[in-house]
Amino acid sequence: QKEVEQNSGPLSVPEGAIASLNCTYSDRGSQSFFWYRQYSGKSPELIMSIYSNGDKEDGRFTAQLNKASQYVSLLIRDSQPSDSATYLCAVTNPAGNMLTFGGGTRLMVKP
Amino acid sequence: GAVVSQHPSWVICKSGTSVKIECRSLDFQATTMFWYRQFPKQSLMLMATSNEGSKATYEQGVEKDKFLINHASLTLSTLTVTSAHPEDSSFYICSAGGPRNYGYTFGSGTRLTVV
Repeated sequence: QKEVEQNSGPLSVPEGAIASLNCTYSDRGSQSFFWYRQYSGKSPELIMSIYSNGDKEDGRFTAQLNKASQYVSLLIRDSQPSDSATYLCAVTNPAGNMLTFGGGTRLMVKP
Repeated sequence: GAVVSQHPSWVICKSGTSVKIECRSLDFQATTMFWYRQFPKQSLMLMATSNEGSKATYEQGVEKDKFLINHASLTLSTLTVTSAHPEDSSFYICSAGGPRNYGYTFGSGTRLTVV
């Protein structure tokens, strides 16, 4: 069973702080990695994708990938209360035609 | 680009009836569509994967005769929940993938309540 693991949280950070979300995966052949944000009762929204080792920055978000350690993370700088949501890590299979989701980490940003 | 439309957004039905949910890719050809189910405070669970023109592949534990999936065209897939029961009440979400899209565009979801 291929797995994607996340700490369920909740992760609580003060407004303006950096939130660090982590994800590990078991399939070494995985090629593509995604972070989604899901507000309660809503569908997931893609916020970052990363395909190669290293960091990828997009605004306040930075995704980090380490394939050797099978680890992917998401950093949110200057966290805002509106960032409060569940963050889902998703990993493709080696063929790249299916996503497996982690259980999600609930983030709470307190004003 | 990569817009996926799903409807209805919510539906309430009586136990024993069938409900059809539609998922459309509006601006790309979706060779693959994924159907997920999400219960409250739980993560997305993949129910089935459908490829245009062929039978859907169901995940273990998902009854294919109860959850009928049709993917007859490159822009439309439907999920029919047959003989719905209260335990089928859930949030159903589709995701469409094309040649350059590994299934990361989601529909807005359908909240099904069976009474």
